Amino acid sequence: AQTVTQSQPEMSVQEAETVTLSCTYDTSESDYYLFWYKQPPSRQMILVIRQEAYKQQNATENRFSVNFQKAAKSFSLKISDSQLGDAAMYFCAYGRETSGSRLTFGEGTQLTVNP
Amino acid sequence: DGGITQSPKYLFRKEGQNVTLSCEQNLNHDAMYWYRQDPGQGLRLIYYSQIVNDFQKGDIAEGYSVSREKKESFPLTVTSAQKNPTAFYLCASSIGILGTEAFFGQGTRLTVV
Repeated sequence: AQTVTQSQPEMSVQEAETVTLSCTYDTSESDYYLFWYKQPPSRQMILVIRQEAYKQQNATENRFSVNFQKAAKSFSLKISDSQLGDAAMYFCAYGRETSGSRLTFGEGTQLTVNP
Repeated sequence: DGGITQSPKYLFRKEGQNVTLSCEQNLNHDAMYWYRQDPGQGLRLIYYSQIVNDFQKGDIAEGYSVSREKKESFPLTVTSAQKNPTAFYLCASSIGILGTEAFFGQGTRLTVV
């Protein structure tokens, strides 16, 4: 079975600084997708960024970017110019070809942004 | 506005009772999902449905049941067989194609009293 591991239960960053959240996964599949979701205190899950495994280029969305290392099965999220509104729980998720769009989630990383 | 509506937001259940959580979407999505969220454990998949009148067990289906009689609706019943039902429950939907975004409802907090 696929597993997703987030080894950092909590992280903190100063406003305007950069922070990197780690995620590793285990799979024998070659085609899959990886996601980062954000869950603010409202508990509404919001998609932050998505990466296709067949693409070598790392995905970026404004201040959010990923470092996708397929051979190492690593998928970290970098948040640049951190803002107070970035404070949330961040979940890494994996979806594989044979399961449609069902996702396997990591345990989450609670990010605190200090003013 | 399109979206996913879960109700109620908070639910209390006595031990031994079944309870049904509602999930409705108006996004015209084929696939719908139920996840359970416990502190420190992320989201775990309970059941999912990729088409009307069809659904599959997820990783933690024991003690739960679902139905998918309409495209818009995917209710979850927490039965008395679920040993530890107190949790936060999230419903999601997607087009159903790998790689597409899953949209989530705002969740239901179930507490057994």
